[in-house]
Amino acid sequence: EDQVTQSPEALRLQEGESSSLNCSYTVSGLRGLFWYRQDPGKGPEFLFTLYSAGEEKEKERLKATLTKKESFLHITAPKPEDSATYLCAVQAGGADGLTFGKGTHLIIQP
Amino acid sequence: EAQVTQNPRYLITVTGKKLTVTCSQNMNHEYMSWYRQDPGLGLRQIYYSMNVEVTDKGDVPEGYKVSRKEKRNFPLILESPSPNQTSLYFCASSKRVDTEAFFGQGTRLTVV
Repeated sequence: EDQVTQSPEALRLQEGESSSLNCSYTVSGLRGLFWYRQDPGKGPEFLFTLYSAGEEKEKERLKATLTKKESFLHITAPKPEDSATYLCAVQAGGADGLTFGKGTHLIIQP
Repeated sequence: EAQVTQNPRYLITVTGKKLTVTCSQNMNHEYMSWYRQDPGLGLRQIYYSMNVEVTDKGDVPEGYKVSRKEKRNFPLILESPSPNQTSLYFCASSKRVDTEAFFGQGTRLTVV
């Protein structure tokens, strides 16, 4: 069974304090690993897709990396508007959709 | 604007009263799916559709039905809702199963 575990569950940072969120996964044949951002009461918003180990993608203050067992979402010099829940998901082949982790609730304090 | 539209956004209903949550996408995507989100459990897939007239069960399909008669629409049907189906529901669409999914705004359902 595909499993996705995110850590930490919650993280509080000061504005400008860089950190990383972890997503470890167990799947039988990874087709893609996805990062989403979710604001309260809204649907998940797509951030990145990573398809193979060693791949990296960047967008503003966010950078996602992928190894054969885990992915990291690095947040550099975060701002309060980066506060959200960050979700990691995997697609492991076949027609099944995404298997999500439970998310990391990130709070950036001014 | 590319979007996935769900209706209604909020719904309170009584046990056993059939309801339908609609989902429509304007991106000509082939793959559509429904998820429910519950505290402590995260997002779980209910049903998915690879294309018109092709649907299949996800991880938590009990008590739900879907149909895909047109490419853009993928309604979720609860024929006899029960309180354990109280949840936040999301519809999503993507070009293919392994490409980024676009999510709707969500439907918060309460069954009393």
